[in-house]
Amino acid sequence: AQKVTQAQTEISVVEKEDVTLDCVYETRDTTYYLFWYKQPPSGELVFLIRRNSFDEQNEISGRYSWNFQKSTSSFNFTITASQVVDSAVYFCALETLNDYKLSFGAGTTVTVRA
Amino acid sequence: DGGITQSPKYLFRKEGQNVTLSCEQNLNHDAMYWYRQDPGQGLRLIYYSQIVNDFQKGDIAEGYSVSREKKESFPLTVTSAQKNPTAFYLCASSMGVRAGARTEAFFGQGTRLTVV
Repeated sequence: AQKVTQAQTEISVVEKEDVTLDCVYETRDTTYYLFWYKQPPSGELVFLIRRNSFDEQNEISGRYSWNFQKSTSSFNFTITASQVVDSAVYFCALETLNDYKLSFGAGTTVTVRA
Repeated sequence: DGGITQSPKYLFRKEGQNVTLSCEQNLNHDAMYWYRQDPGQGLRLIYYSQIVNDFQKGDIAEGYSVSREKKESFPLTVTSAQKNPTAFYLCASSMGVRAGARTEAFFGQGTRLTVV
């Protein structure tokens, strides 16, 4: 069985501060995919990034960056210079090659204050 | 525009009634999913379907039923057997197994169901 843990329930920052969201996962499969989704107040989940288990290269895309470390089973997400529009619930998710469903963490609510 | 449409946005149900939530996609995706979201619990999978006329139970299928008669449609029925149906329901789709690798899922805007 797969499991995703997001230990941070809520994070509140002032605009322009950096925010790092933690995600730890468990799986026995060797091939798997990790995702981050954003859920704004409107309710619809928006896809942010996907990584497969063979691609540990970290990436920066604009104000977003990701840190994938298989050794610690972590897939952390950072927002640099946060903005009010970044306020949302962020979900980490896992899907394995042998399974056909996403397993989600409980989510982290990010509030960015002006 | 391509996407997933859920209806209605808000739904009220009396105790003992069955209600059906609609989910339609025009992305030509093979796979479709239903998730339930409760505060502080993330998303939990109710049912999923990888192909027309086939579907599987997820982690919390009791009290729910689905059908997949068309590729574009995956309606969810919340039956009277579901003891605590008040929640936010999200439908999603993805390319599915034909894609080989696991691609991202696209989500609808959700239906908020309240039992009155």
